[in-house]
Amino acid sequence: AQSVTQLDSQVPVFEEAPVELRCNYSSSVSVYLFWYVQYPNQGLQLLLKYLSGSTLVKGINGFEAEFNKSQTSFHLRKPSVHISDTAEYFCAGWGRRFQKLVFGTGTRLLVSP
Amino acid sequence: KAGVTQTPRYLIKTRGQQVTLSCSPISGHRSVSWYQQTPGQGLQFLFEYFSETQRNKGNFPGRFSGRQFSNSRSEMNVSTLELGDSALYLCASSLGLPGQRETQYFGPGTRLLVL
Repeated sequence: AQSVTQLDSQVPVFEEAPVELRCNYSSSVSVYLFWYVQYPNQGLQLLLKYLSGSTLVKGINGFEAEFNKSQTSFHLRKPSVHISDTAEYFCAGWGRRFQKLVFGTGTRLLVSP
Repeated sequence: KAGVTQTPRYLIKTRGQQVTLSCSPISGHRSVSWYQQTPGQGLQFLFEYFSETQRNKGNFPGRFSGRQFSNSRSEMNVSTLELGDSALYLCASSLGLPGQRETQYFGPGTRLLVL
């Protein structure tokens, strides 16, 4: 099956601490990978994307992600989180077979003071 | 440039009714995709339209249908609503270049509650 796996359903972290949200993709997903963020009662906002080139991708709001082909991973990181980063984060990739975006199940980031 | 807009934002219907949701893509985007988001199933692809033609379809029953107009605006329709159709329906637009794996930009969604 085409799959993108987000290993953590929820990540609690204190404000100003670093955070890593994990994402792994299967071989059925091409290496066109995305991270989206969803704030409460809103749609999805694109954080960053990897299409080709440098494996370290920088996005909005201080987030970055590293594409690792050997580990089939695309983990999202931020060196210092804010309360306002509390949201749900989705990793996605293009499915090779059905040519559509395949989403992970999401990781809820909970930032507390 | 204005983003993707969806109307209405909230909707309450009863079982057996039908509903039509609307999506206006980013100006210049010709592809519109629809997704259903529920707590249990997550984000699931419904269908994609490009140049008024359905280009791709997910695994949903025939009660779910859509269409796209010449100005790229899209509507999706759900007939004979069931309780399980309660969800956030998201629309996404992209340039729609055939064969290209493009970035999709999402609207705020329409939250449908079926009673």
